[in-house]
Amino acid sequence: GENVEQHPSTLSVQEGDSAVIKCTYSDSASNYFPWYKQELGKRPQLIIDIRSNVGEKKDQRIAVTLNKTAKHFSLHITETQPEDSAVYFCAASKGNTDKLIFGTGTRLQVFP
Amino acid sequence: NAGVTQTPKFRVLKTGQSMTLLCAQDMNHEYMYWYRQDPGMGLRLIHYSVGEGTTAKGEVPDGYNVSRLKKQNFLLGLESAAPSQTSVYFCASKPLAGGWTDTQYFGPGTRLTVL
Repeated sequence: GENVEQHPSTLSVQEGDSAVIKCTYSDSASNYFPWYKQELGKRPQLIIDIRSNVGEKKDQRIAVTLNKTAKHFSLHITETQPEDSAVYFCAASKGNTDKLIFGTGTRLQVFP
Repeated sequence: NAGVTQTPKFRVLKTGQSMTLLCAQDMNHEYMYWYRQDPGMGLRLIHYSVGEGTTAKGEVPDGYNVSRLKKQNFLLGLESAAPSQTSVYFCASKPLAGGWTDTQYFGPGTRLTVL
């Protein structure tokens, strides 16, 4: 079946450095790719998303890139801050349906 | 607006007991979803609904039932709880497809422990 692989599972960076999280998906019909941030004990919250007709999207310190040919997409966080510490989940739509398949998450720790 | 709310926040059950989790949204969203979140496994879809009166199975539906009698509410039932159903349950909702966003909005979660 369709799946989404996410790497790395944990990532530690120094404050001010960049962080990159990568995901690959298997369903070539997937057309929507959101990224969620989940702080400890809280609900997942959308931080950025991208559709298959766009290669890159940026929102302040956060950017997402999509390579449809290779079926992978990445989250880039620049100038990391301690408050960026959380678990980040990527997801891909199941085909062009309204269902999402989630990656297994990346625990990001930003050290001051 | 309260957004997406879930009741209860925490619950402890004994094996074989039953319970119902309630999800409510005040955003007039058509789509609603129930996920479970287990360590190292991300979020997995249990059941979902594309509108009032409709339900459909997700990836891991066994042992669960759902109902969507009112557009704003989506209920998740466990008829005979098992320890394997110990998890954090999240509800989410989304507006109708073709709208301005495909974002799913999540509730605060219910932590369920089955002994």
